[in-house]
Amino acid sequence: EAQVTQNPRYLITVTGKKLTVTCSQNMNHEYMSWYRQDPGLGLRQIYYSMNVEVTDKGDVPEGYKVSRKEKRNFPLILESPSPNQTSLYFCASSADRGASGSTDTQYFGPGTRLTVL
Amino acid sequence: GQSLEQPSEVTAVEGAIVQINCTYQTSGFYGLSWYQQHDGGAPTFLSYNGLDGLEETGRFSSFLSRSDSYGYLLLQELQMKDSASYFCAVRGDQTGANNLFFGTGTRLTVIP
Repeated sequence: EAQVTQNPRYLITVTGKKLTVTCSQNMNHEYMSWYRQDPGLGLRQIYYSMNVEVTDKGDVPEGYKVSRKEKRNFPLILESPSPNQTSLYFCASSADRGASGSTDTQYFGPGTRLTVL
Repeated sequence: GQSLEQPSEVTAVEGAIVQINCTYQTSGFYGLSWYQQHDGGAPTFLSYNGLDGLEETGRFSSFLSRSDSYGYLLLQELQMKDSASYFCAVRGDQTGANNLFFGTGTRLTVIP
């Protein structure tokens, strides 16, 4: 089954304790992204990757890191989490990014609800 | 910067037609997408417009006018299961086509 998986699904942590949220896709997609979703703000892109070893900042990258050492995996790293990073996080992958003739379909993981105390 | 505007809430009757509008201001534009999200779930792709005009997928249609920086999602023959939040998303900014920007979402409630 084609899917994007995220772990953990729920996480409660304390300020300053490093954490990693994993993301994996089995569709051989080149393009992967991380988003955070907050009430009233919609989804905001944190980081994206166009291929292995190619990553770049999205709209709200501060306080986050990512890596893309393998095509299927795109972990999100919070080196020193703070309460303002309490949010619902989604990983997504797509085969393309809206190039001519494409449909720009993003496939989202189930989400990770993070609470930073 | 990028900005997208869509109504925050819409209520419609089962079996009816509803239109959700999206206006955008972007420094670069490569396409407009629509996503559906049920409470507690992940967004799922509905439709994409890279060019002006209407795209139809079953009960859902999406329209784009690049000259007006405007698009809409049309849902026909509404069903109770269509109650969800709907997001428009614009790809592109001054750096190119890599970033995807979402609106704040429209919560659709379908009533019997």
